Amino acid sequence: ETGVTQTPRHLVMGMTNKKSLKCEQHLGHNAMYWYKQSAKKPLELMFVYSLEERVENNSVPSRFSPECPNSSHLFLHLHTLQPEDSALYLCASSQGGVGGVRETQYFGPGTRLLVL
Amino acid sequence: KQEVTQIPAALSVPEGENLVLNCSFTDSAIYNLQWFRQDPGKGLTSLLLIQSSQREQTSGRLNASLDKSSGRSTLYIAASQPGDSATYLCAVRIKAAGNKLTFGGGTRVLVKP
Repeated sequence: ETGVTQTPRHLVMGMTNKKSLKCEQHLGHNAMYWYKQSAKKPLELMFVYSLEERVENNSVPSRFSPECPNSSHLFLHLHTLQPEDSALYLCASSQGGVGGVRETQYFGPGTRLLVL
Repeated sequence: KQEVTQIPAALSVPEGENLVLNCSFTDSAIYNLQWFRQDPGKGLTSLLLIQSSQREQTSGRLNASLDKSSGRSTLYIAASQPGDSATYLCAVRIKAAGNKLTFGGGTRVLVKP
């Protein structure tokens, strides 16, 4: 266990559904991240939050909407997704905020998403 | 733009052999390099973190080296075991983008009993 939990672990949704992914970290970190891992592609950074403010958005389509209500929780709201959005979505956290470049990131187990 | 490449993409060895996994990156202006392990359908577990000023890091049977000038890192796993079967990912933290990690595509390792 890394101290980062994600729910649900598996999710199947239709293209017209709205769902949310949840991430919680119990490490006292103040930066949190969403990554997407598709088949046959390297892990891609989607969003970065530092001290509950979004500091990076890597050209992610607007059908993905992140929310960080406090430093321990991070959500990814999904709506009108496409089949190509099927992937493993990983959450991570780190200490020292985004500027803490010497700090490692701790990853959650991921949510396996299938869009039909 | 930083690119990270891992070769080979897949590797199969008999139990007891040493494993050598390679990672190369195009921009040597990095803060550090990190090796992760990922089991099928699971998240990432950090194995070793090498700061840009360091040449290597060791943890048990694992040893990672870093040659920043040539843009290369190698992960050695001694006396491999079936439990070492997993995908190994390297990632570099680049100076131009704060704490952003750029990942390689990974090497899928199978250690046969």
